[in-house]
Formats: sequence, C-alpha cells, structure tokens
Amino acid sequence: AQSVSQHNHHVILSEAASLELGCNYSYGGTVNLFWYVQYPGQHLQLLLKYFSGDPLVKGIKGFEAEFIKSKFSFNLRKPSVQWSDTAEYFCAVMDAAGNKLTFGGGTRVLVKP
Amino acid sequence: EAGVAQSPRYKIIEKRQSVAFWCNPISGHATLYWYQQILGQGPKLLIQFQNNGVVDDSQLPKDRFSAERLKGVDSTLKIQPAKLEDSAVYLCASSLDSYTIYFGEGSWLTVV
Repeated sequence: AQSVSQHNHHVILSEAASLELGCNYSYGGTVNLFWYVQYPGQHLQLLLKYFSGDPLVKGIKGFEAEFIKSKFSFNLRKPSVQWSDTAEYFCAVMDAAGNKLTFGGGTRVLVKP
Repeated sequence: EAGVAQSPRYKIIEKRQSVAFWCNPISGHATLYWYQQILGQGPKLLIQFQNNGVVDDSQLPKDRFSAERLKGVDSTLKIQPAKLEDSAVYLCASSLDSYTIYFGEGSWLTVV
C-alpha cells in the first residue's frame, strides 16, 4: 500500500522568505505525484502534478516541485512567499492506473506580513 | 464551470444517530470519490466510484458507512450509527480522467 509522509506539521515564516516543504512517499511501482493547497475556508485545489518527464515541475502561483526518484521525494518550493500563501499544503501520490489518491498529513504554513 | 456541490455543509448529531451527505459532481465526470478528513490529518479515501460501480472501498467502515451512486451521477454517503470518532469533514471529489481531481468544499460533521 502506498503512503505519504510530510516532515513538517507547521511552518511559520515571514514574507519574502523561501519555502520548502518536504514530502516522501512509499510505493513499489510507478507513481503520479501531486501537491494540493487548501486556503482558509476554501476547498482543496491542485497546485501542481508530476506524471513523467522533467522531474522539476512548475505549478500555479510560483510554486515548483522536484521529483527525486532515488529518494522517493517530491519537495515543494517557492523562492519568495507572500502573506496570501498562508494555507495548508498536502502532498499526494496516486498509482499509475489513476487509482487511490493518497494524501500526506499536511503542512500548515503561516506567512507573517 | 460549476464545481462539486455538497450538502449539507454542516451537521451536528448525537452518537448513534444517522446522517447522510449528498454530492453532485462536475457534469460529465465519471469518477467520484468520498474522502474523510479528520482534524489535523490529510484526507483519507473512503470510496471511489467509476460511473455507478465501486472501484475501491477498502477503507470504508462497512459496518456503519454506506455509499451509493445511482445512475452514475449524484452520490450519497450515509453513516449509521455515528460514533464520536466519525467527527470529520467529508469531502466529495470528481474527475474526468482520474488524474485531475476536483474537490468540493466538504460537509463538516460533529458527533456529540
């Protein structure tokens, strides 16, 4: 069975600081990888996804993530955060057949103005 | 484009009572999911439908939870009888191709 581990439960940083959120997954086969974001009071939204090809993927709002197969990792980064990036971020993995999207426990990010 | 609609948004019930949540997916989306998100945790898949057939219900507590998707469109998730540990947000989601999943705003359940 697949599983996802997110290293930090809470992150607090100031505007313009760089952000990196760790994500490691456990699965024996080919996977598709996702980062979702949940802004306060809103529904889960897709930030970016990786299926194949270039392991560095770019998403919306200046976010990017790097797939490192040897480390089973898919870390999310943003060079300079804004107050509006305050949200909860979830890493997720799906098997190659498109089944069973499995989420990590989430990381709450608070950006101080 | 209309999103995934869920109702009710909030529900408070006593333990051992029953509750039902309704979901209307995005038009044309064949795949429908129900997730349970307990406070402080990530969403956990309860059941996945492809049209009106069940693809995966391995994490659905079948002694108290049931779900159906008649006619391959709307879906209902029922809990009977509810336990305190069922307090969570129940998320419905839908997908056209299984790879891009759209979530509703969720139905918040508090069991007291």
